Amino acid sequence: GAVVSQHPSRVICKSGTSVKIECRSLDFQATTMFWYRQFPKQSLMLMATSNEGSKATYEQGVEKDKFLINHASLTLSTLTVTSAHPEDSSFYICSAGAGHTAQETQYFGPGTRLLVL
Amino acid sequence: AQSVAQPEDQVNVAEGNPLTVKCTYSVSGNPYLFWYVQYPNRGLQFLLKYITGDNLVKGSYGFEAEFNKSQTSFHLKKPSALVSDSALYFCAVRGSGGYQKVTFGTGTKLQVIP
Repeated sequence: GAVVSQHPSRVICKSGTSVKIECRSLDFQATTMFWYRQFPKQSLMLMATSNEGSKATYEQGVEKDKFLINHASLTLSTLTVTSAHPEDSSFYICSAGAGHTAQETQYFGPGTRLLVL
Repeated sequence: AQSVAQPEDQVNVAEGNPLTVKCTYSVSGNPYLFWYVQYPNRGLQFLLKYITGDNLVKGSYGFEAEFNKSQTSFHLKKPSALVSDSALYFCAVRGSGGYQKVTFGTGTKLQVIP
């Protein structure tokens, strides 16, 4: 099946710094990428949907100036957590899909654990 | 608004016994239904999906799920549980018309006891 990678897998940073998380589709062209946040013992919360070459669509309650998403190519999307604070600590997961079936068939990355001190 | 309910936070089952992880949903129109599995500190892995057709869907690792429209359910099942099946399982749903996001349930932890 299709493979999606995320880097880094784990990051610890100081409060106030910015952190960039990369999501790559390794063997297919991802026209759509999704960014999720998962809190302990809770479900995945969709943060935003990004289509290659377009601005991301953010879900209600997600600050677009805090969580910057770039989807510059068909194989790479990045999520930058700007001026991170301890409450941003979480598990961030991306997924990727292609074409009109992107919503139906999402391939998930392994996730990035962010800890803000 | 669409929603997914996984009524059990945790399911314990003995190795070799059949397992069921429950899921009910609410959505406008015809549903697209999914099951994913998540191992610790990992992303989600796709197990199976129902879009249309046969109500019994077979997926990866011997799992299957039955779509029941009248009960708005999509329970995950496996005839004989393995210890390696222990993980967190998520049910998800989206509507079938146009662009609609996928909504995930809160997850059910499956513990298979040797």
